[in-house]
Amino acid sequence: NAGVTQTPKFQVLKTGQSMTLQCAQDMNHEYMSWYRQDPGMGLRLIHYSVGAGITDQGEVPNGYNVSRSTTEDFPLRLLSAAPSQTSVYFCASSLTGGSGNTIYFGEGSWLTVV
Amino acid sequence: AQSVTQLGSHVSVSEGALVLLRCNYSSSVPPYLFWYVQYPNQGLQLLLKYTSAATLVKGINGFEAEFKKSETSFHLTKPSAHMSDAAEYFCAVSEQDYKLSFGAGTTVTVRA
Repeated sequence: NAGVTQTPKFQVLKTGQSMTLQCAQDMNHEYMSWYRQDPGMGLRLIHYSVGAGITDQGEVPNGYNVSRSTTEDFPLRLLSAAPSQTSVYFCASSLTGGSGNTIYFGEGSWLTVV
Repeated sequence: AQSVTQLGSHVSVSEGALVLLRCNYSSSVPPYLFWYVQYPNQGLQLLLKYTSAATLVKGINGFEAEFKKSETSFHLTKPSAHMSDAAEYFCAVSEQDYKLSFGAGTTVTVRA
């Protein structure tokens, strides 16, 4: 099983550029989300989706957009990159919305904004 | 609101020694609690989770954690550290849907 797949793994952007981080899962999970990981801060939720066509904001949504046109895909768009968005980004998925369900994470995307 | 505090950002243990990672949480409802491990340049892998079935939870790689409601704690232990346990460990809590709140993480170093 591929699980949760993120691309690209590494990316360098210039300030003001836009880009999309791709995320796909092959487990037919309803719930998908994006987190960013910064040193000393753990992971923080950016956006999440409870199913195709439904998205909502997490803890740190500013500067990011998401869409969920299919169950499998949940891309994260950086509209105008800023150095503060230098981080490691993780996509995650879960079968349903039950709080005890296991959340599966992708391998991460390392983004540097210069 | 939910939050997690991990005590100690770095822990160094000798190979074969006890590993103890501390996690305290705050939650307005009975929580679901998780421990994840992250090896260098990799994603997060679930070690174990508490979902109210049993207070002592056994996970993968010899780890276990005990839920103590009176102390609002969910400390992670392993009786004997192995070199392969060197990683960063995250405690997380969930009280609504599946949104996780993570602690800041604890980096474990294992000395030969």
